Amino acid sequence: GAVVSQHPSRVICKSGTSVKIECRSLDFQATTMFWYRQFPKQSLMLMATSNEGSKATYEQGVEKDKFLINHASLTLSTLTVTSAHPEDSSFYICSASTGTSAWEQYFGPGTRLTVT
Amino acid sequence: AQSVTQLDSHVSVSEGTPVLLRCNYSSSYSPSLFWYVQHPNKGLQLLLKYTSAATLVKGINGFEAEFKKSETSFHLTKPSAHMSDAAEYFCVFMDSNYQLIWGAGTKLIIKP
Repeated sequence: GAVVSQHPSRVICKSGTSVKIECRSLDFQATTMFWYRQFPKQSLMLMATSNEGSKATYEQGVEKDKFLINHASLTLSTLTVTSAHPEDSSFYICSASTGTSAWEQYFGPGTRLTVT
Repeated sequence: AQSVTQLDSHVSVSEGTPVLLRCNYSSSYSPSLFWYVQHPNKGLQLLLKYTSAATLVKGINGFEAEFKKSETSFHLTKPSAHMSDAAEYFCVFMDSNYQLIWGAGTKLIIKP
């Protein structure tokens, strides 16, 4: 149980284009979803927290107009990187929580974004 | 300010020998601490958690960690390493807003 999927697993896009990453909770309802960014050989950095049906809460320094997050249902959240640039290349990881335990997050396998 | 520090970026051990991955934290209150493992191309998996109950916490795959308040440590151990344990390990601290603060990670290398 508690499986989270991400799609795509890898994506390459050209500079200036936008790319959408999906995060799905497959066997549970996720009241809260989190988006992280992981730089090579570094830790995870929380980008934003989204609750179903409401606007995402972004961490300091994360551009909300560049990283659009939508959490339209209890099983799906999307992250859209708009007007991508090479510096946006990274590993993006989502996690989902049922909300019953504040700490209990289930992680997706991640999406490798490369902007050329 | 709350923080978590993983003291080793890489740890290399031989198969069958003990594993020790070190983690220290800084907090003004009793923390909740976790260890996660990240295998290539797989999602992060929770190994174990400490949430102010027993100080010796047993997790999956034979791992355990001991919370030592006097040393502000939460080191991860395993008596005998297996090749399948090769992965990246993260020590994680939950702050007062219930957000997870991640250590920089320790890459565990298992030598045959």
